[in-house]
Amino acid sequence: QSVLTQPPSASGTPGQRVTIACSGSSSNIGSYVVNWYQQLPGAAPKLLIFDNSQRPSGVPDRFSGSKSGISASLAISGLQSEDEAIYYCVTWDDIVSGWVFGGGTRLTVL
Amino acid sequence: QITLKESGPTLVKPTQTLTLTCTFSGFSLSADGVGVAWIRQPPGKALEWLALIHWDDDKRYSPSLKSRLTITKDTSKNQVVLTMTNLDPVDTATYYCAHSDRGRGYRYGTFYHYYYMDVWGRGTTVTVSS
Repeated sequence: QSVLTQPPSASGTPGQRVTIACSGSSSNIGSYVVNWYQQLPGAAPKLLIFDNSQRPSGVPDRFSGSKSGISASLAISGLQSEDEAIYYCVTWDDIVSGWVFGGGTRLTVL
Repeated sequence: QITLKESGPTLVKPTQTLTLTCTFSGFSLSADGVGVAWIRQPPGKALEWLALIHWDDDKRYSPSLKSRLTITKDTSKNQVVLTMTNLDPVDTATYYCAHSDRGRGYRYGTFYHYYYMDVWGRGTTVTVSS
């Protein structure tokens, strides 16, 4: 069981906006920034969002992140077929004294 | 350009010890704020953080695996080694190493540091079976 809670699945049609939630606690999301990763089939995870809402260079501005209290969310607008992937939220945890991951959300583009 | 590459055995017998090496380039593990982390992913399952070593040799381990893990660095060789003892079939997974860095932000009138794993290796698959 993952320390951070994500819905196991999400879906949308091309062009739609979808949101993926990530819930934690005061020892993790409540105290530290959240990073998001995209894992395409058969590939290593790729950093999508860092510091709650920052995008690395090369990541389209269709991807955005936010955080409030002990929850964070990833939003993908203008959904495209190539966005089909598993998305993970990650943050630091004081109790673990290390990184904690969400269980991942599999995004399907219908 | 930062790159990392994992290497090690693909097949290990139960109870044996696994030694994985992460060979990297494009950064120095003696630079302030830099670290290398190990993460694994069992087939069809979620990512799981295992260990992290920082530039100052600070080491962190997943509490559930701490007794079985050892992480070390060789700055001169640009390598980080993860050792896991007493392997079990449930340890079958793809093992990744990742570059960890520190950034500085400003929010609500305060500067703060944050960390993130920005570049990952392609992973190495390890099967534990007799």
